[in-house]
Amino acid sequence: GESVGLHLPTLSVQEGDNSIINCAYSNSASDYFIWYKQESGKGPQFIIDIRSNMDKRQGQRVTVLLNKTVKHLSLQIAATQPGDSAVYFCAEKTGTSGSRLTFGEGTQLTVNP
Amino acid sequence: GAVVSQHPSRVICKSGTSVKIECRSLDFQATTMFWYRQFPKKSLMLMATSNEGSKATYEQGVEKDKFLINHASLTLSTLTVTSAHPEDSSFYICSGRLAGEIDTQYFGPGTRLTVL
Repeated sequence: GESVGLHLPTLSVQEGDNSIINCAYSNSASDYFIWYKQESGKGPQFIIDIRSNMDKRQGQRVTVLLNKTVKHLSLQIAATQPGDSAVYFCAEKTGTSGSRLTFGEGTQLTVNP
Repeated sequence: GAVVSQHPSRVICKSGTSVKIECRSLDFQATTMFWYRQFPKKSLMLMATSNEGSKATYEQGVEKDKFLINHASLTLSTLTVTSAHPEDSSFYICSGRLAGEIDTQYFGPGTRLTVL
């Protein structure tokens, strides 16, 4: 079946550096993508989303890039802080799946002080 | 805004008993709620989609008689794990979708179920 996956299961960065978390998806019919942050023992927290008619969207310290040609999604975090340490999931929604989201495997981001 | 709560946050029960988990949207009306389970260091797996006032739609492989879902109001959905067994031990997370918003889901803090 089609799924969303992440290139790297773990990412370790120094405080203050920029972080890039990648996600590959295989369903060309997906029209909406979300990045979630999950801290240990907590539920996922919405970070940023993007629709398929866009290729870039910026938030506070975060930017999501969408490359539909290669079915690739990335989350960039500027000036990474220790509080950014968490697991990051991308999720996709296809137009035919109603509201259902398919989650990727997750990337563990560790920020070293 | 868009806050979802779950109760209890942790529960330990004996094998064979039933456990009810509540999911509440605190500051919005959720016409649709979703139930996920998550194993350690794994991703979220959708169990079922719950629409207010109607029967839940279960994902393939999820036993509807074991995981009873009720969505009686626009702010409350419950998941009951019946005759729980140790393999049901997991992290259960619910989410709500705002009425009028098509796509975004807001997640609760999760419930850690341990079946002895």
